[in-house]
Amino acid sequence: QVQLVESGGSVVQPGRSLRLSCAASGLTFSNTILHWVRQAPGKGLEWVAGISTDGKNEHYPDSVKGRLTISRDNAKNTLYLQMSGLTPDDTAMYYCARGSYSSGRCDVFDIWGQGTMVTVSS
Amino acid sequence: DIQMTQSPSTLSASVGDRVTITCRASQSISTWLAWYQQKSGKAPKLLIYKASTLQSGVPSRFSGSGSGTEFTLTISSLQPDDSAIYYCQKYDLYPVIFGLGTRLEI
Repeated sequence: QVQLVESGGSVVQPGRSLRLSCAASGLTFSNTILHWVRQAPGKGLEWVAGISTDGKNEHYPDSVKGRLTISRDNAKNTLYLQMSGLTPDDTAMYYCARGSYSSGRCDVFDIWGQGTMVTVSS
Repeated sequence: DIQMTQSPSTLSASVGDRVTITCRASQSISTWLAWYQQKSGKAPKLLIYKASTLQSGVPSRFSGSGSGTEFTLTISSLQPDDSAIYYCQKYDLYPVIFGLGTRLEI
């Protein structure tokens, strides 16, 4: 079955960087649009990045543009999220999700991983 | 950016009740609207996309309707397992935006 497994979450100090990974299985990775969605403790869902199948097109909300970078390695079936200049506001569970049922410009998220927790604290 | 407003923020109902959750967009998004269910400690689950299309495997007591700026998620006969937070999401254009969620208590 399709599975997305995130890793790399940890406790980090403000200002530091962190890279999250999402390993995919059970799907044709190179044909799959992928996204990162985060959820701060007790809060709602926030989409933070999306990437096209070939990795050439990336999308971000203004709130994270310039600090978060999504990338993928189609040879390794792995999605990444590089985070820099971390602040306590970045504390959240980070989910990777498959994009599907596209509007032609944007997607819904039909498969989700279990999430990896990032805590930014001194 | 378009704002997505869900109401109510909390809803309490009984087994067998019919409940409706509303999501309003600040601008028209046609039918590019999805609904998710999130249970405590779990990842969200896609219920409905394109405003009214039921995702495979989702029980038929869930239904969605609407277009333009006003959308509804209806659960026709509540089951104990439906206790969760429900989110709407617009996906007409980037950025993807979620509503703030509706907590449904059974």
